[in-house]
Amino acid sequence: DAMVIQNPRYQVTQFGKPVTLSCSQTLNHNVMYWYQQKSSQAPKLLFHYYDKDFNNEADTPDNFQSRRPNTSFCFLDIRSPGLGDAAMYLCATSRGKEDTESRFGSGTRLTVV
Amino acid sequence: AQSVTQPDIHITVSEGASLELRCNYSYGATPYLFWYVQSPGQGLQLLLKYFSGDTLVQGIKGFEAEFKRSQSSFNLRKPSVHWSDAAEYFCAVGEGYSGGGADGLTFGKGTHLIIQP
Repeated sequence: DAMVIQNPRYQVTQFGKPVTLSCSQTLNHNVMYWYQQKSSQAPKLLFHYYDKDFNNEADTPDNFQSRRPNTSFCFLDIRSPGLGDAAMYLCATSRGKEDTESRFGSGTRLTVV
Repeated sequence: AQSVTQPDIHITVSEGASLELRCNYSYGATPYLFWYVQSPGQGLQLLLKYFSGDTLVQGIKGFEAEFKRSQSSFNLRKPSVHWSDAAEYFCAVGEGYSGGGADGLTFGKGTHLIIQP
């Protein structure tokens, strides 16, 4: 069954210690997204890749970066996590222009200690 | 800029009763509209979507939604709720095809649905 897979489900990191979250997809979708969802809030788009083209949201902090080495994988790097970065991070994919329906992974819950 | 308003933060419904969750959007052209459901600690599952055509769309789990352009609304309905429907529901708007269609979704703040026995 085609899926969006996020690993790990739960991640604990130390304040200021770089952390990487991963996402993979078997849908062969063109677009991959990263959303941040803080407790009891709506998901907020951080950035997305359309194929190899990176698109950053204007208000995404510089502390957040992303890599997409191939169609299937996308990574979220947090260079120096702060306590305010604790959140659920959701990866999503879509085909893009043909169909903007987004398929979401189960998320990674990040705790910063 | 596009935006989504879900005016009800919490809704409590008795099991077996009907449900309507409200959603209003702001978008300059024809939007793509979605309803997602999220259980605690989980990702988002798509319930239904509207791109064009029939303004009444059917989704999974017995949900439906009606697009009303004149009211800029996309309300979610279910005729009879089950205890398993308790969750967070998010309405979202995406850029229409003419705009490229890949810039991600803008979500409402969500409605927390509580089911009373």
